[in-house]
Amino acid sequence: AQRVTQPEKLLSVFKGAPVELKCNYSYSGSPELFWYVQYSRQRLQLLLRHISRESIKGFTADLNKGETSFHLKKPFAQEEDSAMYYCALSEGTYKYIFGTGTRLKVLA
Amino acid sequence: SAVISQKPSRDICQRGTSLTIQCQVDSQVTMMFWYRQQPGQSLTLIATANQGSEATYESGFVIDKFPISRPNLTFSTLTVSNMSPEDSSIYLCSAGGSEKLFFGSGTQLSVL
Repeated sequence: AQRVTQPEKLLSVFKGAPVELKCNYSYSGSPELFWYVQYSRQRLQLLLRHISRESIKGFTADLNKGETSFHLKKPFAQEEDSAMYYCALSEGTYKYIFGTGTRLKVLA
Repeated sequence: SAVISQKPSRDICQRGTSLTIQCQVDSQVTMMFWYRQQPGQSLTLIATANQGSEATYESGFVIDKFPISRPNLTFSTLTVSNMSPEDSSIYLCSAGGSEKLFFGSGTQLSVL
């Protein structure tokens, strides 16, 4: 069955430290992977998608089909990065499967 | 892009009653969706709201419990019927497609 796993519920890092939010997926075909973010008192919004291969707010994510992973990385965390991050998988249609989310806290 | 207005933002309801959540998009969209997010859980798709026809429900969700309307390409409602405490959750309206989803701000429902 299709599944998205985010093993960490909470990740705390110090400002300026590297960040890696883990995401593993289970899917038999060729999925599209996304990271969505929800900042405090804001709505859920798209951060980036693997097919774009872009860097948004300093974050990047590489799809590793061998390890079925799509980890989100940033070399130097900022306090404004504190938020809830959701990894999501799409079968190429409108149906998305979301992970349970990781709360990132960047400490001053 | 699309801006989604969802209301109410929160409500506290009595067991056995029903609540209707409204979702308004600022532009015409083909696909609208309703998600549920139970405490500590992931977002789960309830159904796809289809304009001009019955909604398409995901496994575990039925029309009698979650009737959905979609009268046009910018508006949809989700009703949570005959509520029980297990329905306490955040309900999210969404629009978009395979490239991107836009979300409303959510409705936090507490059932006593």
